[in-house]
Amino acid sequence: DIVMTQSPDSLAVSLGERATISCKSSQSVLFNSNNKNYLAWYQQKPGQPPKLLISWASTRESGVPDRYSGSGSGTDFTLTISSLQAEDVAVYYCQQYYNTPRTFGQGTKVEIK
Amino acid sequence: QVPLQESGPRLVKPSQTLSLTCTVSGGSISSGGYYWSWIRQPPGKGLEWIGFIYNTGTTYYNPSLKRRVTISLDTSKNQFSLNLNSVTAADTAVYYCARAPGGDIPQGGFDHWGQGTLVTVSS
Repeated sequence: DIVMTQSPDSLAVSLGERATISCKSSQSVLFNSNNKNYLAWYQQKPGQPPKLLISWASTRESGVPDRYSGSGSGTDFTLTISSLQAEDVAVYYCQQYYNTPRTFGQGTKVEIK
Repeated sequence: QVPLQESGPRLVKPSQTLSLTCTVSGGSISSGGYYWSWIRQPPGKGLEWIGFIYNTGTTYYNPSLKRRVTISLDTSKNQFSLNLNSVTAADTAVYYCARAPGGDIPQGGFDHWGQGTLVTVSS
């Protein structure tokens, strides 16, 4: 199984400041034949299902604000919220879809400082 | 939007079988292009993928659960189902149904999710 490890487990950021979450995979999720990273990011608010924010490591889903961005390749990835808003308080998960079993990171809780 | 809705018993006794159904609206599960999945989340914990099924009936299961899990399709009702047998308290979780794109193989993140249903395993 590919193990996904996020850091930190939680972070507190002031409104309008940048939030950065790291995700590392135990093996590369870069598919060489198409040069795509098989990695997604989700946002989960209390009492709600996860919401897909980013696919292919850096492609925002339709309707996702552009303050969210994903970067990285291979085994190291980052989710950045450029200017934290109150509605961004949530737990964020990375997930690989390079192979099965699909695996998720343990989650990073983002709060307002 | 493609609403998904889980249904089934909220309380299951230990050693019995947990059975849930996901009803898909706004699109036919038999038309292809998507893998229909079950994912669970124990209270206060992270996400665990259980498995998925394609319209051909092809299934992929998490090896950690494979001996106890069956996912099936009912295209006449536009539903897919989860059966998890020999449950214990460790199977208590919110169970989500979800959709992932794909063709010959599943690819992409889970782009639509049900609201989830909490299933408690207790006598």
